[in-house]
Amino acid sequence: DGGITQSPKYLFRKEGQNVTLSCEQNLNHDAMYWYRQDPGQGLRLIYYSQIVNDFQKGDIAEGYSVSREKKESFPLTVTSAQKNPTAFYLCASSMRTGDSGNTIYFGEGSWLTVV
Amino acid sequence: QQQVKQSPQSLIVQKGGISIINCAYENTAFDYFPWYQQFPGKGPALLIAIRPDVSEKKEGRFTISFNKSAKQFSLHIMDSQPGDSATYFCAAKGAWGFGNEKLTFGTGTRLTIIP
Repeated sequence: DGGITQSPKYLFRKEGQNVTLSCEQNLNHDAMYWYRQDPGQGLRLIYYSQIVNDFQKGDIAEGYSVSREKKESFPLTVTSAQKNPTAFYLCASSMRTGDSGNTIYFGEGSWLTVV
Repeated sequence: QQQVKQSPQSLIVQKGGISIINCAYENTAFDYFPWYQQFPGKGPALLIAIRPDVSEKKEGRFTISFNKSAKQFSLHIMDSQPGDSATYFCAAKGAWGFGNEKLTFGTGTRLTIIP
């Protein structure tokens, strides 16, 4: 089945640790995104990538890092510099040409909790 | 800076009634306005979307009304059903390559349909 796969679904992090969230898509989409969701604040963009080996900061990139070595993969690392990382993280992807470039598809999300 | 403002934050509607959620945007470069539906613990899914060259778009019980001059758009859910209970997000974006290609979300409306 085509779609976006995020793993793990649930992750616990000790303070001072870096953790990496995986995102894989088999939709052949050019663009990929990471959003963070907190209660009452909607979805905020962390990073996005339009093509392989290129990515741009979103609105809340501090304390996060990404890589885009393959078209289908866009992992997100939550570093120890992120002071309040407990949240629901959503990966998404889209085409970037034509009308279909406007539909963004989301994965099922990953819950990160700091313990 | 919140570019897309959404109201109300929560909404309770009786089964069979009409649910109305409103959004306003600031950036006149936005040219695509989707609505997403999200169930608890899941990623958002595209519900319906509109471009500013039309004032209304209907898909089944869901209708988007768009007022370009007022920079406002709204989602109407007719004959609301308990299965419509979810969080709804409006969003907006512009064309690729002009700095407005990031999808900007409203803060969400938690809709509850009661019997």
